[in-house]
Amino acid sequence: DIQMTQSPSSLSASVGDRVTITCRASQSITNYLNWYQQKPGEAPKLLIYAASSLQSGVPSRFSGSGSGTDFTLTISSLQPEDSATYYCQQSYTARFTFGPGTKVDIK
Amino acid sequence: EVQLVESGGGLVQPGGSLRLSCAASGFTFSNHYMDWVRQAPGKGLEWVGRSRNRAKSYTTEYAASVKDRFTISRDDSKNSLYLQMNSLKTEDTAVYYCARIWGGGNSFDYWGQGTLVTVSS
Repeated sequence: DIQMTQSPSSLSASVGDRVTITCRASQSITNYLNWYQQKPGEAPKLLIYAASSLQSGVPSRFSGSGSGTDFTLTISSLQPEDSATYYCQQSYTARFTFGPGTKVDIK
Repeated sequence: EVQLVESGGGLVQPGGSLRLSCAASGFTFSNHYMDWVRQAPGKGLEWVGRSRNRAKSYTTEYAASVKDRFTISRDDSKNSLYLQMNSLKTEDTAVYYCARIWGGGNSFDYWGQGTLVTVSS
């Protein structure tokens, strides 16, 4: 199975800061990389699909980039409601795998 | 409005069995692949398995951690997805979500609210 890693595992940033989360796959997954946001007690929510496409209804401050093995999720101006855990997920192979998550806190 | 509602969770002893259900509404269920994803308490997301649609002969996929113990099935006439869990282990304790796959990067665009399975003696 393809292994996914994320860095950092957690971060704390101020409102208005630019935040970047990195996701790396153990082999090329072309652009089959999706990002989810999960808040405590809630189901995950799709933010970005196919590495860089913004899901309908998601604020434009979220963006994704990358291809092959290295990907990033960027929040251009962090808002209080962005406090959550973010997961990347590869959908290149039949057996999907998730990254371990990055917890984002607001200072 | 798309809705996915899981049910069937609860407390079960190690070695026991449980069957989860996911009731879908608001979309053409028969057209979609449907997956199960779980999350152990305080941990990350783990993909469990998939049911493909009729066009793909309802074939299934499983994570290595559950293969040969869990079985995924569906009933398109009832718009329902199922997860039969046998030989349960304490490490299967988790919230189990059903999720819909759509064509956008084969991502999960809709998730249920989850149902908690606790495996403990």
